[in-house]
Amino acid sequence: EDQVTQSPEALRLQEGESSSLNCSYTVSGLRGLFWYRQDPGKGPEFLFTLYSAGEEKEKERLKATLTKKESFLHITAPKPEDSATYLCAVQAGRGATNKLIFGTGTLLAVQP
Amino acid sequence: DTGVSQDPRHKITKRGQNVTFRCDPISEHNRLYWYRQTLGQGPEFLTYFQNEAQLEKSRLLSDRFSAERPKGSFSTLEIQRTEQGDSAMYLCASSRTNQPQHFGDGTRLSIL
Repeated sequence: EDQVTQSPEALRLQEGESSSLNCSYTVSGLRGLFWYRQDPGKGPEFLFTLYSAGEEKEKERLKATLTKKESFLHITAPKPEDSATYLCAVQAGRGATNKLIFGTGTLLAVQP
Repeated sequence: DTGVSQDPRHKITKRGQNVTFRCDPISEHNRLYWYRQTLGQGPEFLTYFQNEAQLEKSRLLSDRFSAERPKGSFSTLEIQRTEQGDSAMYLCASSRTNQPQHFGDGTRLSIL
C-alpha cells in the first residue's frame, strides 16, 4: 500500500536557525511528489512539484530535494511568517488515478 | 486566477440531517477533487472529476456521500443522514491536466 511518512511531527526553530523537514515514501511508481504549506483554518497552498530523483526546486527560503526514497524541505534562515504546517503528498501508480496521498504534516513554529 | 472558492465556510448541523457543500474551481481547470481532513491529519482523497465525469471514488465515500459536477464547472458534495464521524474539513481542489492541484479553504462541518 502506498504510504507517506513525515518527520518530525513538530519543529520549533529560532528565527534564522536553518533546518530540514523529511518526507519518506513507499509507493508503486512515483509520478510526482508535492509539497504544500497549510496555515490554520486554510486550505493547503502549493509550493513545489518534484518528479525524479536528483531534482531540486527553490522558492525564497525554501528548497525541496528528492531521492528515490525520500524528499527534504530545507528551510534557510527562517522567519516567523514561515510558521505553518508543511504537507508532503505523492501521486503514484501507472493507472488513471490522480489522487494525492498525503502525510500527516510537520508543524513548524519559528520564534523571533 | 481567483482561486478555488468553497461555500459555506462553516456548517453546523444535527446528526441525521443532510448537508450540501459547493465548490467553484479555478476557471479553465478541467479537473476537480474532493478531500476530507481531520485534525492532525493530512487530507484524504474522496473523489475526482474530469470535466463532468466522475472518474474515481475512494472507499471512504460511503453510500451516504454523493458528488456531482453537472456542467463541468462547479461541483457539489452532499452527505445524507450525517453522523458524528462526518465532522471534518471538506476540501476542494482543481487543476489543469497533469498540473498541480490548487486547494480552496474548505468547509468545516460540525455535527451536533
